[in-house]
Amino acid sequence: KAGVTQTPRYLIKTRGQQVTLSCSPISGHRSVSWYQQTPGQGLQFLFEYFSETQRNKGNFPGRFSGRQFSNSRSEMNVSTLELGDSALYLCASSSGGLLAGGTDTQYFGPGTRLTVL
Amino acid sequence: ELKVEQNPLFLSMQEGKNYTIYCNYSTTSDRLYWYRQDPGKSLESLFVLLSNGAVKQEGRLMASLDTKARLSTLHITAAVHDLSATYFCAVDPPFVNYGGATNKLIFGTGTLLAVQP
Repeated sequence: KAGVTQTPRYLIKTRGQQVTLSCSPISGHRSVSWYQQTPGQGLQFLFEYFSETQRNKGNFPGRFSGRQFSNSRSEMNVSTLELGDSALYLCASSSGGLLAGGTDTQYFGPGTRLTVL
Repeated sequence: ELKVEQNPLFLSMQEGKNYTIYCNYSTTSDRLYWYRQDPGKSLESLFVLLSNGAVKQEGRLMASLDTKARLSTLHITAAVHDLSATYFCAVDPPFVNYGGATNKLIFGTGTLLAVQP
């Protein structure tokens, strides 16, 4: 079974620009979560989508947005880029079968490394 | 607010030695995960721990969970160089707060493990 894929793998942008990152989950997975990883802040949750609906959101400004399509693929968008947005952006997919006691393990993609100049 | 602390942040150990990484979390959680990250790579799922007293082992790694103490440990037995990586623990907020499980992982700071020959 193919793993989580993310495109592009590397991206260089300048301040003020916007960027769109893409994530294709494991086949059959309906939940996609996005995380930002930086040396200073570590791994931080951005948002989670399930069946095209945003189900959870982290503490990030409105410049960070996302969406999910009917085939479970997800995109995240960052508008008006700032230097501090430079990070590794990871997406993770899971089946989304969220019953208490379930082991809905999240499987991570390789990430998109965004550099903002 | 759920917070996760790991210690130590950095661990240098010799091959053949044993050591333990600790993960404390601040409020009740229903699931605890351990992930491994190699430099420049994504996160690899190691263990999912669901209940108090849960113990899982894979090779030289063994993870345990004490929900009453809000503590998980990752024990490394007879370390080898291939185990060098950064190890993260992560927890889900309590199911009850969200009317069900979430895929909103709160990560610890990570432990950089360097196994010296």
